[in-house]
Amino acid sequence: DAGVTQSPTHLIKTRGQQVTLRCSPKSGHDTVSWYQQALGQGPQFIFQYYEEEERQRGNFPDRFSGHQFPNYSSELNVNALLLGDSALYLCASSLRTGGSETQYFGPGTRLLVL
Amino acid sequence: DAKTTQPPSMDCAEGRAANLPCNHSTISGNEYVYWYRQIHSQGPQYIIHGLKNNETNEMASLIITEDRKSSTLILPHATLRDTAVYYCIVSGNTGKLIFGQGTTLQVKP
Repeated sequence: DAGVTQSPTHLIKTRGQQVTLRCSPKSGHDTVSWYQQALGQGPQFIFQYYEEEERQRGNFPDRFSGHQFPNYSSELNVNALLLGDSALYLCASSLRTGGSETQYFGPGTRLLVL
Repeated sequence: DAKTTQPPSMDCAEGRAANLPCNHSTISGNEYVYWYRQIHSQGPQYIIHGLKNNETNEMASLIITEDRKSSTLILPHATLRDTAVYYCIVSGNTGKLIFGQGTTLQVKP
């Protein structure tokens, strides 16, 4: 049973460019959440997708957008990259049950903006 | 802001039990206590969670006080591979996890 997978593992971009990161959830999961983790900090919640819609959003600008596909996989898009966007981007998947919804994380995509 | 307070660091001798405390005095009745750990540069790994009863799985035990204002994660026989940052998180059914700084556990030979 494959866990959460993310691609690419590493990425280098320059300021002003746009980037797309991808996530495939754990088998049987229908909800995908994205987090940003700067060096030395805990992960920060970006947004969550369920039924192909953004259900919750953290304190991130509109430059950060996402999408969820019918197969539950998801993309995170970041436009107009800034140096401060350099971070580990984590995807987590879960199954919406109405009770506890344990999130399982992927290995992350490390983005470096030069 | 995170709703939990954890010590920034702890040491534990290999083979001994590691007891990691967490305070969550403002926890609501429908909120769960989750524990994750993160080994350097990897994605956080789910360990265990609970609502009000103590829980045990193959990785750890979770002890929640009766008033639910604090909890302790117990790794019964710590190994060097348990060296990691441990996060205690309080979350309801919104699915949003708010991470604090966590506890850096160093297991020493």
